[in-house]
Amino acid sequence: GENVEQHPSTLSVQEGDSAVIKCTYSDSASNYFPWYKQELGKRPQLIIDIRSNVGEKKDQRIAVTLNKTAKHFSLHITETQPEDSAVYFCAASKSTGANNLFFGTGTRLTVIP
Amino acid sequence: GAGVSQSPRYKVAKRGQDVALRCDPISGHVSLFWYQQALGQGPEFLTYFQNEAQLDKSGLPSDRFFAERPEGSVSTLKIQRTQQEDSAVYLCASSLSPRDSSYGYTFGSGTRLTVV
Repeated sequence: GENVEQHPSTLSVQEGDSAVIKCTYSDSASNYFPWYKQELGKRPQLIIDIRSNVGEKKDQRIAVTLNKTAKHFSLHITETQPEDSAVYFCAASKSTGANNLFFGTGTRLTVIP
Repeated sequence: GAGVSQSPRYKVAKRGQDVALRCDPISGHVSLFWYQQALGQGPEFLTYFQNEAQLDKSGLPSDRFFAERPEGSVSTLKIQRTQQEDSAVYLCASSLSPRDSSYGYTFGSGTRLTVV
C-alpha cells in the first residue's frame, strides 16, 4: 500500500518568513495530493491540493509543488502569519477506485510574532 | 446540513464497554470514509462506503470494529469491548463522487473517544 512520509515534524518560523514542508510517497499510482490544516480540536481543513498532471499550484500565500519522478511534493507558505500556526498534514490517494487518503504524520508549524 | 456532522463530540467509555459513533454526511454525498486519528498522528483509514455498500474495510484494526450505512446516508461505527488502545479521534469524511473522491471531500469534526 501507499506510505507517506512528512518532514519536519515541528517547524518554528518568525512572522513574515517562509515555511516549507516536504512529503514523499511510495505508490506511483497515486495521483491526488491534498494538504490539510488542523487546528487543535478541529477538523482537518483542505487548504490546497494538486493532481499528478500539474507540477505546481499557487493560491495567494500558499503553493504546492509536485515532482512525480522523485515521488515528492512540498507545501510552501510565504509571509507567514501567527494564524498560520497549526498542524499541517500531507496526503496522497489514487482519487478513483481505492480512493481513501493516506496521510503523513503531520508538521506542527509555529509562527512566532 | 451544510457539513459532515458527527456525534457524540466526546465519549468516555469504560474498558469493555460497547460504543456507537454516528456520522451524518453531506446530503447527496455518495462516498463515506471513517478514519482513526491517534494523538499526535495523522488520520488512518478504517473503512469506505459507496452508498450502502462497504467496499473497503481493510483498515479496521480488529473484528471488534464494525461499520454500517444501511440506507446509504447516515453511518455508524461500532466498537465492541473497547480497549485503551481504541482511544483516539474518529473522523468521518464524505465526498460527492465515487469516480473522483477528491471532489467535495469534507471531514467532520470527529468524535474523541477516551477509554478508561
